[in-house]
Amino acid sequence: QQPVQSPQAVILREGEDAVINCSSSKALYSVHWYRQKHGEAPVFLMILLKGGEQKGHDKISASFNEKKQQSSLYLTASQLSYSGTYFCGTERGTSYDKVIFGPGTSLSVIP
Amino acid sequence: EAGVTQSPTHLIKTRGQQATLRCSPISGHTSVYWYQQALGLGLQFLLWYDEGEERNRGNFPPRFSGRQFPNYSSELNVNALELEDSALYLCASSLGQTDPTATSYEQYFGPGTRLTVT
Repeated sequence: QQPVQSPQAVILREGEDAVINCSSSKALYSVHWYRQKHGEAPVFLMILLKGGEQKGHDKISASFNEKKQQSSLYLTASQLSYSGTYFCGTERGTSYDKVIFGPGTSLSVIP
Repeated sequence: EAGVTQSPTHLIKTRGQQATLRCSPISGHTSVYWYQQALGLGLQFLLWYDEGEERNRGNFPPRFSGRQFPNYSSELNVNALELEDSALYLCASSLGQTDPTATSYEQYFGPGTRLTVT
């Protein structure tokens, strides 16, 4: 039931792009994305809803393919501040459904 | 606007004891969630409270329990502590669900309580 994230870890140089994928074996209603920096609490990035549009925030955007039960997070022209662990969380949309988080993808941006 | 607060920051207990962790949500938020984050692991869902009611529960034994107070703050209790309970316990809050079938509110996390069981 826990979504699968790939890759597990990635190292980028500043300015490079990255894609983090999240997939589920269950039909999804929504996908959440959060980033957690070392020693800090997770911070909300965006939510994508079934039937909704691709979202973006600065140079971070995400898409949601509900037919494939997959979401991808796109980080373009990465900055040092993008380093952290990225978690996707999925909801099925049933009554009082909880968000199930994936294991996380560790992203390190180096100069 | 004040964020989610948690207390204490650190808690050290011995095996078999009980631990109580507290969380105050963002003003206006009625939903409170509890997660366990063991070292190197992801966010494991524990409990969800909304309007004083338990809405959902993760795959944890009954010795993990909690409650939500009328002011929407929440408490997590862990009884009969075991060594593997050592983890960071995160609390998050969100707007409450006015429609139980329409979910997907962003969650705002507190700084966590680091519980160490010796």
